[in-house]
Amino acid sequence: DAMVIQNPRYQVTQFGKPVTLSCSQTLNHNVMYWYQQKSSQAPKLLFHYYDKDFNNEADTPDNFQSRRPNTSFCFLDIRSPGLGDAAMYLCATSRSRGTYEQYFGPGTRLTVT
Amino acid sequence: AQSVTQLDSQVPVFEEAPVELRCNYSSSVSVYLFWYVQYPNQGLQLLLKYLSGSTLVKGINGFEAEFNKSQTSFHLRKPSVHISDTAEYFCAVSVSGGYNKLIFGAGTRLAVHP
Repeated sequence: DAMVIQNPRYQVTQFGKPVTLSCSQTLNHNVMYWYQQKSSQAPKLLFHYYDKDFNNEADTPDNFQSRRPNTSFCFLDIRSPGLGDAAMYLCATSRSRGTYEQYFGPGTRLTVT
Repeated sequence: AQSVTQLDSQVPVFEEAPVELRCNYSSSVSVYLFWYVQYPNQGLQLLLKYLSGSTLVKGINGFEAEFNKSQTSFHLRKPSVHISDTAEYFCAVSVSGGYNKLIFGAGTRLAVHP
């Protein structure tokens, strides 16, 4: 089945130690998104890629970066995680900007110690 | 700017009873509307969407929602819930002509009791 895959499902990192979360998709969608969802809150968009075009949300901290080396993969890099960055990170895709349905992966739960 | 308000943070209900989860939005432009469900430690799954056409939208798992433009609402309903419907439900809007950005409501926790 075509899907959005996130690895790992659970990640523990130390305060200030860089961490990378991974997302891959077999849907061949042009757009990939990263959301941050803190406990008992709604998901919040961090940034998205339309093909290779990177789009950052205005309030996304500089500590968060992303890479998309090809259509299938997208990475979220947190350069110096703080305790406040502990959250579920959700990757999503959509076929193009003209289609509004987003398909979500299962998420990576990040713990910062 | 667009915003979404889910009027109930928690909705307890008994199994086989009907349920309505309320969602209101504000926007000065046309929007597309969605309901997603999230089970514990899982990603979001699309239940249903309103893009255009009939204002009554049917989704998966027996859920339906009605778009009411005059009341800027998109309430989710199910005539008879099951224990397995216990989850977090998110209403979301996306702006017509935008880059698919979803703006989510705060979520409603549906708890189905036997």
